Amino acid sequence: AQTVTQSQPEMSVQEAETVTLSCTYDTSESDYYLFWYKQPPSRQMILVIRQEAYKQQNATENRFSVNFQKAAKSFSLKISDSQLGDAAMYFCAWLNEKLTFGTGTRLTIIP
Amino acid sequence: NAGVMQNPRHLVRRRGQEARLRCSPMKGHSHVYWYRQLPEEGLKFMVYLQKENIIDESGMPKERFSAEFPKEGPSILRIQQVVRGDSAAYFCASSASISNTEAFFGQGTRLTVV
Repeated sequence: AQTVTQSQPEMSVQEAETVTLSCTYDTSESDYYLFWYKQPPSRQMILVIRQEAYKQQNATENRFSVNFQKAAKSFSLKISDSQLGDAAMYFCAWLNEKLTFGTGTRLTIIP
Repeated sequence: NAGVMQNPRHLVRRRGQEARLRCSPMKGHSHVYWYRQLPEEGLKFMVYLQKENIIDESGMPKERFSAEFPKEGPSILRIQQVVRGDSAAYFCASSASISNTEAFFGQGTRLTVV
């Protein structure tokens, strides 16, 4: 069975600093996608970044970047220059035909 | 271009009543996914539908839960004889293709069973 593990239930970071959220997954598939979603208090699921497993280059979206280690099945999210608006739950997700989510990391930004 | 629309946003039902949750996918999307989120947990897959067909219902409880996506109209997630444990946020996502790499989520329906 495919599983996604986020081992950090909560993280906090000082505003303007950098924080890394961890995610590991387990699959025997070779072709898949990985995602990070942000869920603010409004509950809206917002796609932050996406990585195709066949691409070795790590995805980057402005202040958000990933460290994708396929052999280690690791997919961490780095947020640079943290802003107050980054405070939210962050979910890592693995995709084959359907999305499988981790349990989430609650990120707090300290002003 | 409206996004995925779910209604109602909040639904309160007494134990034993029926709950109907609606999801209108984005225009042009024919694939719908339903997820359930219990408090302080991630989203759990329930069911995947295409127009008029259930493709994967491996995450659906065997009893009381059903889903449909008719040719016309929104997708409906129906919960019969609700119990307190059904209280959760229910999310719908839609995509244009089976690959689901461009899935978009609605804002969810928070069901409270009293």
